[in-house]
Amino acid sequence: EIILTQSPATLSVSPGERATLSCRASQGVNSHLAWYQQKVGQAPRLLIYGAFNRATGIPARFTGSGSGTEFTLTISSLQSEDFAVYYCQQYDNWPLTFGGGTKVETK
Amino acid sequence: QVQLQESGPGLVKPSQTLSLTCTVSGGSISTSDYYWTWIRQSPGQGLEWIGYIYFSGNTFYNPSLESRVTISIDTSKNQFSLKLTSVTAADTAMYYCATFRRITYRWFFDPWGQGTPVTVSS
Repeated sequence: EIILTQSPATLSVSPGERATLSCRASQGVNSHLAWYQQKVGQAPRLLIYGAFNRATGIPARFTGSGSGTEFTLTISSLQSEDFAVYYCQQYDNWPLTFGGGTKVETK
Repeated sequence: QVQLQESGPGLVKPSQTLSLTCTVSGGSISTSDYYWTWIRQSPGQGLEWIGYIYFSGNTFYNPSLESRVTISIDTSKNQFSLKLTSVTAADTAMYYCATFRRITYRWFFDPWGQGTPVTVSS
């Protein structure tokens, strides 16, 4: 099973600042990685697929990058609606697995 | 785009069987475009993929749960279902149904249902 380790667990950022979230895979997953955003009381929402492709309706301030074992989700200028928990998920190998999440909170 | 809605008991006794249903609207469950999926989320385990079923009835399960899980599909009702046997407190979680689909060869879970909480307790 591929283990995805997300860091940091919590990221304190001021609105308007840049946020950089990391996801590290225990073995290479090519570019077979997606990112999700989850707000309190809601289901996860797809942000990024294939490591860097934005899902429909996702603002350009969300950027995914990386391949192999190291991936990054960057939010260029945090808006109030971006404070949430973010998860990475790999589909390179079975079983499909998720990272433990990074909570982005207001500084 | 399809919409998904989970339903089922919110409380299950230990050692019994958890049964949930996901109703699909806005499209046919018989499409070849989607794999119909169950995912759960608990504070201790985070997000965990349980398994999926294809419209043909083919299934694939997480090995960690495979011995206790059955996912089935009812095309006449546009529903698919989850059964998890011999539940314990560790199975307490929010259960989501979702579609696993792709654009070219890039796969992802989207959309998701709103989730249904299940507590295992006597």
